[in-house]
Amino acid sequence: GENVEQHPSTLSVQEGDSAVIKCTYSDSASNYFPWYKQELGKRPQLIIDIRSNVGEKKDQRIAVTLNKTAKHFSLHITETQPEDSAVYFCAASSYAGGTSYGKLTFGQGTILTVHP
Amino acid sequence: DVKVTQSSRYLVKRTGEKVFLECVQDMDHENMFWYRQDPGLGLRLIYFSYDVKMKEKGDIPEGYSVSREKKERFSLILESASTNQTSMYLCASRRAGVRVRNEQFFGPGTRLTVL
Repeated sequence: GENVEQHPSTLSVQEGDSAVIKCTYSDSASNYFPWYKQELGKRPQLIIDIRSNVGEKKDQRIAVTLNKTAKHFSLHITETQPEDSAVYFCAASSYAGGTSYGKLTFGQGTILTVHP
Repeated sequence: DVKVTQSSRYLVKRTGEKVFLECVQDMDHENMFWYRQDPGLGLRLIYFSYDVKMKEKGDIPEGYSVSREKKERFSLILESASTNQTSMYLCASRRAGVRVRNEQFFGPGTRLTVL
């Protein structure tokens, strides 16, 4: 089955700096890669996702890059703010046939702390 | 606005008890999922369901079972609770289809403690 490794497990930055979180996956059939953000005491929420036919996607201060050859993808947050402090999870999934994508396999999570 | 609710935020049970965790979604989503979340291990899939009456094992199904009798409700059952099942349990739902955004909507979680 799919295995997703996420690094680093903790990341501490100063407000205004950039933050990068990296993930690798094992299953070459995976073609959908979302990122979820979980603030303290809250539920995970999707912040950005990318499909394998795209190498990069950007949404304001966050961007995701995908290297299918190397089987890794990364989350980039620019101009970090204290409200970016949260746990971030990467995940991978593949098309299951029929009308659905299959299950998501999540990385271990990265605790991002942005210091004012 | 998608709403996914779980029956309890906190639950304390004794070893050997049968435990029911309920999840309800109000957006007519076909797919539903149960995860457990442990520090340093991320979100691990226990079971999922593509539609009513359907279920598939996830990565860690041992010690758990599920029931999906109605589209909006997905139940997780711990047949005989053990201390190693102390964890945060998260339910999620998702609309089926490859032309829709493949987003999972999570419930608030149930923190289960087994004594």
